[in-house]
Amino acid sequence: EAGVAQSPRYKIIEKRQSVAFWCNPISGHATLYWYQQILGQGPKLLIQFQNNGVVDDSQLPKDRFSAERLKGVDSTLKIQPAKLEDSAVYLCASSPGPSGRALEQYFGPGTRLTVT
Amino acid sequence: GDSVTQMEGPVTLSEEAFLTINCTYTATGYPSLFWYVQYPGEGLQLLLKATKADDKGSNKGFEATYRKETTSFHLEKGSVQVSDSAVYFCALSEPSFGNEKLTFGTGTRLTIIP
Repeated sequence: EAGVAQSPRYKIIEKRQSVAFWCNPISGHATLYWYQQILGQGPKLLIQFQNNGVVDDSQLPKDRFSAERLKGVDSTLKIQPAKLEDSAVYLCASSPGPSGRALEQYFGPGTRLTVT
Repeated sequence: GDSVTQMEGPVTLSEEAFLTINCTYTATGYPSLFWYVQYPGEGLQLLLKATKADDKGSNKGFEATYRKETTSFHLEKGSVQVSDSAVYFCALSEPSFGNEKLTFGTGTRLTIIP
């Protein structure tokens, strides 16, 4: 079974530029998550999709971050314009959900973003 | 809100030593508890989980017991190997149909020296 795919793996941009990350979840997984992991911290949920609908985006800085999940499969996360504090690893995860139980989330390798 | 507090690292041990990484949590309901591991250059992967009080999760020689009375989920291994070197994250999830998000601790970096 193929895992969660993410691209690019690394990205370096200057502040005020824009950037986009792509995620392909495990086939058949209804739920998709984007997390931000700042160096030295645990991952923080940015947005959760159920199929192509948003379940939770309470932690997403909507003035600069946007995300979509077209057709309930692949997803893109965009930052425009980027700030220095956006430097982090952006993790995508998927799970079979929903179920009301504690389902395992499967994580991709992440995209390391450096904003200079 | 929910939160997870982990033992700060980094932790350095010799091979075959006993490992404990402490984890305590705060939650409003009855969460499920997880340990995720991140090996160098790889994504997070589930190590073990427990879904109710007194449950013991185990995998690859690691164990953790869900202690509701002390709100803890400490990770233990009797004899660590060099290959266990990684960052370990404690996490919780409150059961909520369609909204099972994970709340993570800050992670503990473990280095095992031969």
